[in-house]
Amino acid sequence: DAKTTQPTSMDCAEGRAANLPCNHSTISGNEYVYWYRQIHSQGPQYIIHGLKNNETNEMASLIITEDRKSSTLILPHATLRDTAVYYCIVRLMNRDDKIIFGKGTRLHILP
Amino acid sequence: GAGVSQSPRYKVAKRGQDVALRCDPISGHVSLFWYQQALGQGPEFLTYFQNEAQLDKSGLPSDRFFAERPEGSVSTLKIQRTQQEDSAVYLCASSSPPYNEQFFGPGTRLTVL
Repeated sequence: DAKTTQPTSMDCAEGRAANLPCNHSTISGNEYVYWYRQIHSQGPQYIIHGLKNNETNEMASLIITEDRKSSTLILPHATLRDTAVYYCIVRLMNRDDKIIFGKGTRLHILP
Repeated sequence: GAGVSQSPRYKVAKRGQDVALRCDPISGHVSLFWYQQALGQGPEFLTYFQNEAQLDKSGLPSDRFFAERPEGSVSTLKIQRTQQEDSAVYLCASSSPPYNEQFFGPGTRLTVL
């Protein structure tokens, strides 16, 4: 079973920041938080990952709470192309192993 | 630099038919994964290869499912005597050290009538 819980769906207005929450209360000390997204009719795509510090790249920012039991993915200026299912996953870094996906959050960007 | 490709993109089969789904991983990638994604669900692991060796097939739902990667590059997922519950998108991903980041193909949507 997936070790994360996410809301089933969320809406966000175009141009606003989209904040996607994830709970991972059973995360272990050496597990990282990864985020993937899946646009309709495509395979999942890696977005970002982190251990305990906040991370930012060209796609998004990842904020992890100090106790590491939850995190938030932030898309700073959402566009219609960000409409997708977003998966929050906990796993060991650089591990050559299957990914355990949950059901993710279906994000709708509203024009 | 081509990504992971899969063919066909869409497949319609009559119940009881055999199907073969192909995955072309990123050139040189060591590992290859197959996942099954039912409508409205996240992808679920089926099987994993490291080069030509199938190291984990614990996710294959029945003995009607068979996967191979004979030369350590292209892989084929075969489903025999398809059933309606086999209808899903079948995703392939490949990866390589040191980061082992999985790159996914677009999937094959299988519909069994």
